[in-house]
Amino acid sequence: KNEVEQSPQNLTAQEGEFITINCSYSVGISALHWLQQHPGGGIVSLFMLSSGKKKHGRLIATINIQEKHSSLHITASHPRDSAVYICAVAANNDMRFGAGTRLTVKP
Amino acid sequence: KAGVTQTPRYLIKTRGQQVTLSCSPISGHRSVSWYQQTPGQGLQFLFEYFSETQRNKGNFPGRFSGRQFSNSRSEMNVSTLELGDSALYLCASSFRDYPYEQYFGPGTRLTVT
Repeated sequence: KNEVEQSPQNLTAQEGEFITINCSYSVGISALHWLQQHPGGGIVSLFMLSSGKKKHGRLIATINIQEKHSSLHITASHPRDSAVYICAVAANNDMRFGAGTRLTVKP
Repeated sequence: KAGVTQTPRYLIKTRGQQVTLSCSPISGHRSVSWYQQTPGQGLQFLFEYFSETQRNKGNFPGRFSGRQFSNSRSEMNVSTLELGDSALYLCASSFRDYPYEQYFGPGTRLTVT
């Protein structure tokens, strides 16, 4: 079993829909990252969380340390949000990654 | 500020050769981390350098090595290349050491034939 599990693996949505991507982990962590990767490989760090909730524009990330679970929400989704979203945890002085969620937003 | 740069962007090597990849962090950033991304294994942590010292290392064989210079630029080296080393190699820099927010470079796509 992977230490970082993401769901769903693939997600297709219509423009304007509210989207949730989930991440569960099984190790003790010092922080959790949400990353966005567009075709071509470039990665952008969206959030780094160690507790609570963060919001940036239409993106919201939450983490529940006791339940070892984080969610990434996208409100009013747009085709430009189409990308792979990756959850990563900082644990034991290294980074462990989820397999990613491929999001496609259709106009 | 200029972003993280990586050179070369694309590289084709033959099995058994060695390769050196370079990463220039954002000005003022002292931490550089390296990652390997493959379709089968996804993203995996290679190592992290902070102020010229390797602070953390992932579970990779000794053929993978790196260093960081006094200007924070970093290089990673892979010796005796294997087909399985074909991957996208990403570096990321941050102002402080692990686990602070990281800024990723565009990656170097290495193909081993």
